[in-house]
Amino acid sequence: DTGVSQDPRHKITKRGQNVTFRCDPISEHNRLYWYRQTLGQGPEFLTYFQNEAQLEKSRLLSDRFSAERPKGSFSTLEIQRTEQGDSAMYLCASSLEDRHQETQYFGPGTRLLVL
Amino acid sequence: GIQVEQSPPDLILQEGANSTLRCNFSDSVNNLQWFHQNPWGQLINLFYIPSGTKQNGRLSATTVATERYSLLYISSSQTTDSGVYFCAYSGAGSYQLTFGKGTKLSVIP
Repeated sequence: DTGVSQDPRHKITKRGQNVTFRCDPISEHNRLYWYRQTLGQGPEFLTYFQNEAQLEKSRLLSDRFSAERPKGSFSTLEIQRTEQGDSAMYLCASSLEDRHQETQYFGPGTRLLVL
Repeated sequence: GIQVEQSPPDLILQEGANSTLRCNFSDSVNNLQWFHQNPWGQLINLFYIPSGTKQNGRLSATTVATERYSLLYISSSQTTDSGVYFCAYSGAGSYQLTFGKGTKLSVIP
């Protein structure tokens, strides 16, 4: 069990560019989550997948953000026309559906800086 | 909406001291987790504890769901315990975690 992995770990981009992040969940975890964390704050929920279906989206997820999980395994988060306010740590988490104990495990995050 | 409040916001301890961190939440609980975020940003699971008490080494946690609070106890603190501790919670019928603002712990030798 290798844990949740994210790629890249760091990304610097210029305002207006598109960026894409990848998350590989723990194998066999059917739920996958994206969160965003800005400096000095706790992570904030962005979106959630159960298998390949995107079931919840936060109001934080503007039209410039899109997330996919095409085969119910890895997920991508794309930000189009990046803005300086998008600078943050983007965290991915996964969990195995379990009515008794469903723990979310987090990846190391992708730190985005928009210049 | 759902609210999660953590206290204290900052805590400075001498190595070897004990501490208690508190998390208050506003609704009935489906999931409650405590995390430690290290200086590199990695969120490390400490406890999944929507109710009851658990212990893991020098750490223990208690959640009293009926009174809507959870406590994290750190005993015999070490410098490696430094970092930010987050409580995260989801209400009934929800899977998204709502995080508190964290408690920043500094353990000095």
